Amino acid sequence: DAGVIQSPRHEVTEMGQEVTLRCKPISGHDYLFWYRQTMMRGLELLIYFNNNVPIDDSGMPEDRFSAKMPNASFSTLKIQPSEPRDSAVYFCASSPAGVETQYFGPGTRLLVL
Amino acid sequence: QQQVKQSPQSLIVQKGGISIINCAYENTAFDYFPWYQQFPGKGPALLIAIRPDVSEKKEGRFTISFNKSAKQFSLHIMDSQPGDSATYFCAASYPGNQFYFGTGTSLTVIP
Repeated sequence: DAGVIQSPRHEVTEMGQEVTLRCKPISGHDYLFWYRQTMMRGLELLIYFNNNVPIDDSGMPEDRFSAKMPNASFSTLKIQPSEPRDSAVYFCASSPAGVETQYFGPGTRLLVL
Repeated sequence: QQQVKQSPQSLIVQKGGISIINCAYENTAFDYFPWYQQFPGKGPALLIAIRPDVSEKKEGRFTISFNKSAKQFSLHIMDSQPGDSATYFCAASYPGNQFYFGTGTSLTVIP
């Protein structure tokens, strides 16, 4: 299995631009999680899905952030408009059952200038 | 409010020594306590995990010690190796709920 796949691995954009991060979970995993990692705040859960349905989005910082999971093999995290404070590493993780045993992807390093 | 408090922030250990990282929590509903290991440029990977019905779990050189009454748990890395140099995160969760991660400990093992 290829593991959790994220794209792009690096993204540099200018303030105000739309950013779309993509994630392909491990096949057969019913749970998908989006995290943000910064030096100041560590690892923060943004949102997670179960069977493509958002379960908890309380970690989404504001309306500029949105996440979708149109099918079991694909999810997107969109930031519109992006701001410099959104610069971070964004991780996607998937789990076969529940919040335990999460497998993380390699992350997308986002820099907003 | 930080649900899980982790210390130290950084740790330097000689090769062959014991690395100890500590975590504390307040929410007694937590029932799953994993440790994740993260290498630079990579995502966190599950290292070892414990439930509160046992006080210790060992996997190879890695051991979790759990003190339910003190609401503390720790990771011990025996015979630390330079390849163990990474950032370690503790976490906690309760049934059906998200992980709450500690702030991470950067471990450096000196040859």
